[in-house]
Amino acid sequence: AQTVTQSQPEMSVQEAETVTLSCTYDTSESNYYLFWYKQPPSRQMILVIRQEAYKQQNATENRFSVNFQKAAKSFSLKISDSQLGDTAMYFCAFDFGNEKLTFGTGTRLTIIP
Amino acid sequence: GAVVSQHPSRVICKSGTSVKIECRSLDFQATTMFWYRQFPKQSLMLMATSNEGSKATYEQGVEKDKFLINHASLTLSTLTVTSAHPEDSSFYICSARGLRGRMLDTQYFGPGTRLTVL
Repeated sequence: AQTVTQSQPEMSVQEAETVTLSCTYDTSESNYYLFWYKQPPSRQMILVIRQEAYKQQNATENRFSVNFQKAAKSFSLKISDSQLGDTAMYFCAFDFGNEKLTFGTGTRLTIIP
Repeated sequence: GAVVSQHPSRVICKSGTSVKIECRSLDFQATTMFWYRQFPKQSLMLMATSNEGSKATYEQGVEKDKFLINHASLTLSTLTVTSAHPEDSSFYICSARGLRGRMLDTQYFGPGTRLTVL
């Protein structure tokens, strides 16, 4: 079975600091896609970053970057210079090759002014 | 790019009535659309997957006669909650995947519809 685990239900950090959200998974597939989505209070799911498992280079999008450790089955999200607008639920999600997304349980991140 | 809309954003209906929710990909054609349900403070639960012109594939435990899905074109999918009851009250979210490139492998989400059944 394919599972996704986010072990941090809640996190908070001061504005402008750096925060890392963790995500681990289990799969026997060798090629898959990994995502981080953000869900702010508006509840609109927003794609933050996307990584392809066959690529060794970690994806980056402005202040957001991932640390993808394929052997360890770990996919963490780092947010640098955090801003108040980063306050949201963050879900890691995976497409293990069957088109469907498998979501983690989410981490509620609060940025403190 | 990759904008998905949902209509209505909020609906209140009486028990026993049917409600239709529309999901549209505004600036791309979607090979596949997905319907999710989200309970408060929980993750998204996939209800069904639909491809244009074919019948939807429902996840285990989802009643296909209650949640009717129609995917009439490459830009429109609809979810109809038939004979709605209070336990159907929830937040429903659709997503869409594009036809090529990065969009083929990425789901883009609509803003969601809050359904309240009285």
